[in-house]
This record gives sequence, structure tokens and C-alpha cells, in this order.
Amino acid sequence: DTEVTQTPKHLVMGMTNKKSLKCEQHMGHRAMYWYKQKAKKPPELMFVYSYEKLSINESVPSRFSPECPNSSLLNLHLHALQPEDSALYLCASSQVTREGRNSPLHFGNGTRLTVT
Amino acid sequence: GDSVTQMEGPVTLSEEACLTINCTYTATGYPSLFWYVQYPGEGLQLLLKATKADDKGSNKGFEATYRKETTSFHLEKGSVQVSDSAVYFCALSYGNKLVFGAGTILRVKS
Repeated sequence: DTEVTQTPKHLVMGMTNKKSLKCEQHMGHRAMYWYKQKAKKPPELMFVYSYEKLSINESVPSRFSPECPNSSLLNLHLHALQPEDSALYLCASSQVTREGRNSPLHFGNGTRLTVT
Repeated sequence: GDSVTQMEGPVTLSEEACLTINCTYTATGYPSLFWYVQYPGEGLQLLLKATKADDKGSNKGFEATYRKETTSFHLEKGSVQVSDSAVYFCALSYGNKLVFGAGTILRVKS
């Protein structure tokens, strides 16, 4: 069983809908991540939160809006998505070490998003 | 920038065959190196890691050695099982970014 829990497992939404993806971890990790993975491709980094503050935004379109309400939770708010945004969205978490390097990432099983 | 190159797949093997998946990297500093595995319908799981040159990571019969002189981190297993069928990703970490290779599909036939 994964220690990073993502909900929902599957989501189908229209281009005018607003929905949210949720991620939760209770490992005490202070870095949390959103990745997007298209079929047969590696995950692509979208956002990184470190100590609940957004530290990296990989030039993601504003129709994706991340939120980190506390150290255990990470949300991704979706609005006005396009069909090409259909993908597996993976959440991950890690510790932050003294040297500023992060420990290995722990991934959730992802949310399979389909935009119609 | 930092990058990871993996051998293309799919790699198809018979059960109990030896496995090698090649991985080389380009980095300006001294990254940590990882192998992640993704089973169908699941997220990524850390398989093994190495944080400095000559470190050997191992787990579940898989091994990889951090070779600074050849900038490589090849994944090996002496005898694969059908349950090893999955996608394998080589990755490097520097700071709080994880850079993945393209992934290699492994199919093991009984």
C-alpha cells in the first residue's frame, strides 16, 4: 500500500467544469509535488511545495492551481481544462535534508483524469 | 541542463534470464541517482538509490552501481520473474528536482 493517498482515482470532467484533486501524506514530509504523466512517458514536474510554500512552478498554465493547506495535504484545482490535459496526475512527497537535497520521493497511485 | 538517457524498450525476456537496463546521465554537480518502477495502473515506487560515486543500491534482487567515471547507473538482475514486468525509470536528483529518463518497458514471459 502506498503511503501517499490520492483521490479520486478516476475523474472525468468537461471543459467548463471546476474540480479538485487531493493528496494526503502522514509521513512528516515537508516537500510535496505534483507531476503529470502522459501514456508511455515519464512523469513531468508541475509544482513543488517546500514547507507549505510554492517553490517551483514549471511554467504550468493557470488553469491548474495548486494549494497546500497544511503539511499533510496538497490540492490541485482544475478549471477550464483542455482535452490534451487528460493524463495521470501523480502526487509525491519527500523529506527535506539539511543540505537542501530532498530524500527519495514517495508517489501516490495517481488520479486518472479525462477531459471531454 | 541535467538529463538522463535510458535504453529504449520494450525489453522482452524469458523467466530466469539476466537483465541489464542501461542508464547514463549528464549533470553539472553530484546528483543522487535512483531507479523507480511503475507497475500497470499504479504510481511510481522507489526500487533503489545511490547517493555518491561507487555506491551500490540493491533491492528485490536488483542492483545498480553509481559510476562517476562513465556517468552511468545501469540496472541489473540475475534472474527475472514474470512479476518484474513493469516500466523502469532511471532518475537523478539535484536539489529538490527529480529528472527522469524516458522509461524502459520490461516484459517477462513464462
